[in-house]
Amino acid sequence: SYVLTQSPSVSVAPGKTAMITCGGDNIGLKSVHWYQQKPGQAPVLVIYYDTDRPSGIPERFSGSNSGTTATLSISRVEAGDEADYYCQVWDGTRDYVFGPGTKVTVL
Amino acid sequence: EVQLVQSGAEVKKSGESLKISCETSDYDFANYWIAWVRQRPGKGLELMGVIDPYDSDARYSPSFQGQVTISVDKFIATAFLQWSRLQASDSAMYYCARLQRRYFDHWGQGTLVTVS
Repeated sequence: SYVLTQSPSVSVAPGKTAMITCGGDNIGLKSVHWYQQKPGQAPVLVIYYDTDRPSGIPERFSGSNSGTTATLSISRVEAGDEADYYCQVWDGTRDYVFGPGTKVTVL
Repeated sequence: EVQLVQSGAEVKKSGESLKISCETSDYDFANYWIAWVRQRPGKGLELMGVIDPYDSDARYSPSFQGQVTISVDKFIATAFLQWSRLQASDSAMYYCARLQRRYFDHWGQGTLVTVS
């Protein structure tokens, strides 16, 4: 089955940009979706189809996808952005695959 | 506003059965697949399976095939996740989520299952 990789953790200072990567074989040929999960809460969709933002998600959240890496960028990071972030793809057959997650810490 | 509201936390003993629910509202239940996702303490998200509420076609991830049963009741717009014999390793948070083609756009609040 298709495997996604993510760095376990990313640390970023307030006001800076956090970049969270998601790796996979030719992931650029797939659509990547991103979820934010704050402690004790359910996941929330923040980016879908690589770059689209659901209503209510700040413009500070953006996505890109090319080659073997998809990236979720959070600009002007705030303390409230501290969370686990998961990427997800449809593997093209019958499986929805999640990455292992990246913990974002705001310094 | 689309809502998925899950049943409350459960504490069970090994070997017992359990059925948890995910009640949906404010959209056409039959038009969107529902997924169940497991999250063990301190771990990531694992897709257990998905179901088409239109015809109750359920598909399970290999790790969960034969371990759980996913079902729906269209008349009350509710999805269910069921175990016939719980094990301690089933202790986890369980989320239902609405599948919007290839991604999960709305999630339930989660149901914590503790098995001793």
